[in-house]
Amino acid sequence: ELKVEQNPLFLSMQEGKNYTIYCNYSTTSDRLYWYRQDPGKSLESLFVLLSNGAVKQEGRLMASLDTKARLSTLHITAAVHDLSATYFCAVKSWGDTGTASKLTFGTGTRLQVTL
Amino acid sequence: KAGVTQTPRYLIKTRGQQVTLSCSPISGHRSVSWYQQTPGQGLQFLFEYFSETQRNKGNFPGRFSGRQFSNSRSEMNVSTLELGDSALYLCASSKGQRLNTEAFFGQGTRLTVV
Repeated sequence: ELKVEQNPLFLSMQEGKNYTIYCNYSTTSDRLYWYRQDPGKSLESLFVLLSNGAVKQEGRLMASLDTKARLSTLHITAAVHDLSATYFCAVKSWGDTGTASKLTFGTGTRLQVTL
Repeated sequence: KAGVTQTPRYLIKTRGQQVTLSCSPISGHRSVSWYQQTPGQGLQFLFEYFSETQRNKGNFPGRFSGRQFSNSRSEMNVSTLELGDSALYLCASSKGQRLNTEAFFGQGTRLTVV
């Protein structure tokens, strides 16, 4: 059974500093997704990483994928309050039938940016 | 371009009742997946539909069921509700079932069972 682990679970960040969230998964896959969720809201797609070595950047967020290490990282540069939210990584894999895919989510990392 | 629409947004039901949730995918998307989100278990996959057929199912009891219509709209049903079914139910739509097709999520239906 595929397992996806994120750490840390909670991250209190100071404005202006840099931080990294780690996402480890237990099976070979090169399809990894990052989502953001604000309290009481739905999941917003941030990044789609589709190959080993993939790196995507949007504003202060940068995501990368190392399929050999089964690791993805989400790096936050110069944190600002607007980034306060919960971030999930998710691995896409085939289901039991082999004909349809599903997302297996990590536990989520709650980011709180303070002044 | 309209996003994924879920109705209703909020529901309160009593134990033992049944409930039906609805999801309208993005136009042109044929795959609809359902996920349950709870504080204790996180985000868990329920099932996935493509071309009106359930193609994938998560580890949930038979009380949880769903269907998809010819216009790709999907419904999920939970019968004999239990307190533990209280959760945010999220629907995701994607163009297809391939591993590299991105899933877009609706706003969710928050179900409270009392």
